[in-house]
Amino acid sequence: DAKTTQPPSMDCAEGRAANLPCNHSTISGNEYVYWYRQIHSQGPQYIIHGLKNNETNEMASLIITEDRKSSTLILPHATLRDTAVYYCIVRGSQGGSEKLVFGKGTKLTVNP
Amino acid sequence: DAGVTQSPTHLIKTRGQQVTLRCSPKSGHDTVSWYQQALGQGPQFIFQYYEEEERQRGNFPDRFSGHQFPNYSSELNVNALLLGDSALYLCASRYRLRGTGELFFGEGSRLTVL
Repeated sequence: DAKTTQPPSMDCAEGRAANLPCNHSTISGNEYVYWYRQIHSQGPQYIIHGLKNNETNEMASLIITEDRKSSTLILPHATLRDTAVYYCIVRGSQGGSEKLVFGKGTKLTVNP
Repeated sequence: DAGVTQSPTHLIKTRGQQVTLRCSPKSGHDTVSWYQQALGQGPQFIFQYYEEEERQRGNFPDRFSGHQFPNYSSELNVNALLLGDSALYLCASRYRLRGTGELFFGEGSRLTVL
């Protein structure tokens, strides 16, 4: 079972920031938080990941709470092309495991 | 630089048949994993290959098998197809020694079992 909980759907106005929450209250100390998104009928696309510090890249920012039990993915200026299902995943860093446990994610709809 | 490529993109089979799906990893990647995504669900891990061996397996029956070749490409085989095997099959790759590196996914092979 997925170790994360996300709202099933969210809406956002184009040009505004999209803030997608994720709860991972059972996360272990060596587990990272990963975010992927999947645009309709395409393969999942990596967005960002982090351990405990906030992270930013060209796509998004990841804010992880100090107790690491939850995080927020921020798309600073959402566009129509950001409409997708967003998955928050907890994954360990040891052993080279490829097993990502996907939940149902959050379907983000960006409206014009 | 080509990303992860999968073939075929779509295929239709009937119950009881066998299917082989193919995956070429992103250049420089040596690890391949396979996922099954049923309609409306998130992807589910099937198995992972590196150094031509299956290293980790999800909760899938033995009807699902795979292979990795010396050039790191991979195949997924499913025998005795069931209607419930209809899904999008995704291949993902990465460079194994980059421990926390992201997986790169292909666009998938959509299998329909009639």
